[in-house]
Amino acid sequence: AQSVTQLDSHVSVSEGTPVLLRCNYSSSYSPSLFWYVQHPNKGLQLLLKYTSAATLVKGINGFEAEFKKSETSFHLTKPSAHMSDAAEYFCVVKGSNFGNEKLTFGTGTRLTIIP
Amino acid sequence: GAGVSQSPRYKVAKRGQDVALRCDPISGHVSLFWYQQALGQGPEFLTYFQNEAQLDKSGLPSDRFFAERPEGSVSTLKIQRTQQEDSAVYLCASSPGQGVSYEQYFGPGTRLTVT
Repeated sequence: AQSVTQLDSHVSVSEGTPVLLRCNYSSSYSPSLFWYVQHPNKGLQLLLKYTSAATLVKGINGFEAEFKKSETSFHLTKPSAHMSDAAEYFCVVKGSNFGNEKLTFGTGTRLTIIP
Repeated sequence: GAGVSQSPRYKVAKRGQDVALRCDPISGHVSLFWYQQALGQGPEFLTYFQNEAQLDKSGLPSDRFFAERPEGSVSTLKIQRTQQEDSAVYLCASSPGQGVSYEQYFGPGTRLTVT
């Protein structure tokens, strides 16, 4: 079984300040973890993924995430928020057992950027 | 190149009607997925195809839901006797292969409203 918990349903930050979106995971196998972003009326876009290589993962648009096995966490960060970062963010887990291809999404965190 | 496309983008159905939702994956992608996203929630897995074979249909909520991919390319999700609880955005994703190395690319979704 696999699941993710996004600890905040809404996060508001001022433009130019750091962003932190929190995610905890549960998985029976060594997981693969992802962050996806969903802008209004647009499709889901992959920000970054962790697949058991380096624990600090860098993604697009300046985002990064750190896999911490001891804390079962995979928090998403960005040093300086831009207005264009306003969107819904999903933490996603995929089991590494063979044949388990489905993605399990968290409930999402809505990020608001204050001008 | 062209991404995943879905049609129609919006569908309104009266309760009890049958609907068919179409997905055109990225050319050459062997894996195809359907997800259901209720309002304010993360997407939930419905079913998965590798080429024309439906390998996982564990997420289909009832026997009113049926998916097919007869030639290993275009897929159709059919919902019979629609109910109000079927109202959601239905997302299609495709992937070039199996395993964690392969990203799932999402379409824009079909928003189904059952009245």
